[in-house]
Amino acid sequence: GENVEQHPSTLSVQEGDSAVIKCTYSDSASNYFPWYKQELGKGPQLIIDIRSNVGEKKDQRIAVTLNKTAKHFSLHITETQPEDSAVYFCAATINDYKLSFGAGTTVTVRA
Amino acid sequence: NAGVTQTPKFRVLKTGQSMTLLCAQDMNHEYMYWYRQDPGMGLRLIHYSVGEGTTAKGEVPDGYNVSRLKKQNFLLGLESAAPSQTSVYFCASSYTSNEQYFGPGTRLTVT
Repeated sequence: GENVEQHPSTLSVQEGDSAVIKCTYSDSASNYFPWYKQELGKGPQLIIDIRSNVGEKKDQRIAVTLNKTAKHFSLHITETQPEDSAVYFCAATINDYKLSFGAGTTVTVRA
Repeated sequence: NAGVTQTPKFRVLKTGQSMTLLCAQDMNHEYMYWYRQDPGMGLRLIHYSVGEGTTAKGEVPDGYNVSRLKKQNFLLGLESAAPSQTSVYFCASSYTSNEQYFGPGTRLTVT
């Protein structure tokens, strides 16, 4: 099955700085790569996703990039704010619904 | 819309006891999923369903059973709980593919 590795496991950034989380996947057939944000005590929530036919996607302060050749994808958060503090999960799938998740990154934004 | 709801929110079981976790969604989604979340391991798929009356095994199905008798409900059963099943359990649903909507989670402790 698909194996997704996520780095770093924890990330502390100064408010206003950028944060980058990287994930690698093993199955070259994977074609859908979502990112989820989980706030304390809540379930994960989709924040952005990308398909294999696209190299980059942006949504305000959040962007995702995909390198199919290297089999890795990254989440970029610019101008970080305290409300960006959360656990972020990347995932990959070959069939759009059976997601394989990374282990998660705990992001802390320091005021 | 309530979205995805889970019952109960917390539960403590003794080894060998049984219980059922209930997931309900009011979005008319076809697909439903049960995940477990453990520290440092992300979310792992236990079982899933692609429609009423259907179920399938995920990544970590052993020790769990599921049923999808009604489209809006997905039940997760533990027949004989073990300490290794101490975890936070999340239910999710999706229309067919793409975004999965997660419930708030059930924290289960098996002593």
